[in-house]
This record gives sequence, C-alpha cells and structure tokens, in this order.
Amino acid sequence: DAGVIQSPRHEVTEMGQEVTLRCKPISGHNSLFWYRQTMMRGLELLIYFNNNVPIDDSGMPEDRFSAKMPNASFSTLKIQPSEPRDSAVYFCASSPGQGRYEQYFGPGTRLTVT
Amino acid sequence: AQKVTQAQTEISVVEKEDVTLDCVYETRDTTYYLFWYKQPPSGELVFLIRRNSFDEQNEISGRYSWNFQKSTSSFNFTITASQVVDSAVYFCALSVPYNTDKLIFGTGTRLQVFP
Repeated sequence: DAGVIQSPRHEVTEMGQEVTLRCKPISGHNSLFWYRQTMMRGLELLIYFNNNVPIDDSGMPEDRFSAKMPNASFSTLKIQPSEPRDSAVYFCASSPGQGRYEQYFGPGTRLTVT
Repeated sequence: AQKVTQAQTEISVVEKEDVTLDCVYETRDTTYYLFWYKQPPSGELVFLIRRNSFDEQNEISGRYSWNFQKSTSSFNFTITASQVVDSAVYFCALSVPYNTDKLIFGTGTRLQVFP
C-alpha cells in the first residue's frame, strides 16, 4: 500500500514567492495533519483536518500560511509570501481514526527560502 | 494540560549494547494513547508502536521492547543488542483523543550507535 505522498520533496525559492506544498494521505484515513520541523523549534503541528474539515489551525504561524483539503485524497499548504524564516522540513501525516490514532508521516518537503 | 518529557537529549552507545530511552508523560485524562516514532538520518518519521492507557502489558518486537508503567507515568523504550542502523532520533508522543486528535511530541532523544 502506498504511504503518505508529498510533493515536491525539495523546494528552493526566493523570498516573496508563493510556495505550495502538496499531500496525498493514505486512502481511507480520515485525519490529515501538517507539521513543520526545524532545529530550533522541533516538530510543530500547524493544522489538522478531520473528514476534510479544518479542526485546529492554532499552530499556523501567521496569515501568510493557509491550508486546504478539497477532498479526502488531497491537501495543500500554501505560503504567500514566503520568508527565509519559513525554511524548514514540512511533513504531512494521516491517521486512520476509528479508534486508531497513530499518524503515518510522509517523507517531508524540505523548503529553503533564500 | 498534556506534556511529554524525554530528558535524554543524546545517547551514545557501542554496537551490541542495550539502551533504554526514557519517556515520561503528563495527563489528567484516563483514556490516552502513547506512541514511539523513529526518525533516521534520512528524515522520515516512522511509527513504531501505539499503546492505550488500559493496556499495561509490556510489548516486545524483535530487539525492541516497551515498558509502560502508569504508576510512574512512563513509557520507556529499550533496544537490545543495538546496531548501527538503530542510530536515529526517537520521539515519544501522547494522544488524548477525547479532546483532540493531536499528538503531543516529546523533544526527542538522539541515539548514536557506534560500530
């Protein structure tokens, strides 16, 4: 079975540009999570969705960040405009629900903003 | 409030040594889940185990074993006969699904296994 798929795996962009990260969760999972990992701040939850509905976006740093989940098999995290401090590894994870709360992580997108 | 503490930031061992990674959690809820994840140098986060608060049986999977003790709010992870491939950052996490689907992660323990 395919795991969580993220694209792109690496992204290098200039400050001020729009960046869109994509995620395809594991089929049948009903929760999706976006995380950011940096050396300084560790692993931070940005937002999560349950049945495609955003449940908690309290971790989204500021209005420059937005996330959508238009259907059960696709989600995007957008940063507009990007800044150097957004450089990090962004992970998407999905969870089966129905009594199973473990999250399965994608390989991550390494974002570098110059 | 919920919290996970991994007091060991970094551990170094020589291959074939046994090593235990500590995890202490805090929650007032009676129903919760505990997890361990592995993050090898390649960067992905790999789910290792889930334990619910009603099941205190220890678990063994090959060289890995987990000791869950509610009395001390601990969920420790032991690797027996460590190998170089065990080198990674290991995260302990807590979930209280009554409130939220979030995982509360510890800060991780970096394990280095030297040949």
